[in-house]
Amino acid sequence: GEEVAQTPKHLVRGEGQKAKLYCAPIKGHSYVFWYQQVLKNEFKFLISFQNENVFDETGMPKERFSAKCLPNSPCSLEIQATKLEDSAVYFCASSQWGPISNQPQHFGDGTRLSIL
Amino acid sequence: EDKVVQSPLSLVVHEGDTVTLNCSYEVTNFRSLLWYKQEKKAPTFLFMLTSSGIEKKSGRLSSILDKKELFSILNITATQTGDSAVYLCAVVGNQFYFGTGTSLTVIP
Repeated sequence: GEEVAQTPKHLVRGEGQKAKLYCAPIKGHSYVFWYQQVLKNEFKFLISFQNENVFDETGMPKERFSAKCLPNSPCSLEIQATKLEDSAVYFCASSQWGPISNQPQHFGDGTRLSIL
Repeated sequence: EDKVVQSPLSLVVHEGDTVTLNCSYEVTNFRSLLWYKQEKKAPTFLFMLTSSGIEKKSGRLSSILDKKELFSILNITATQTGDSAVYLCAVVGNQFYFGTGTSLTVIP
């Protein structure tokens, strides 16, 4: 598609439940990035993929967070045993080439995750 | 530690005013600096800067990069209420590093 598509738009989970977020990058884009925006102004890098391979996972919490990008499927970000502090907007972005290419990332509209 | 710092954190101006937003950075293997505008949802791309001293311009918005002093500014002239948004600065090194953003509110 022409846009990064994230689903669902809003996800509500009770503490301790699992949350799974999806992202379909722009067609032809090889790189996918996940970010967590806890407060309106704070953007935290989580993980990036080059096709189905992890490119950079330096921002991923060691526990409870996992992500995949499988062929012919949307990418996913999964949080096990969610905590209140996981409440945030999770943005996915894609680009045709990686960070060294100096191409801007194109962002999806985000998934707002609310942990109650 | 790589970091991107934006200032001010928030700004309230009247329509017609000119504003200058700042972004300073310390990022290993600097490749480019990008400005995004974030309204309610996805950040939208404004500018990419890779060379010092070359002004990028789009309508009332302009931006310039100083790679020696490690900062960039985003100028908005004759501000309008539609300019109200969070403006994000991102620096590309080995990965994308985002600043905390500047929240701009333009009052009619």
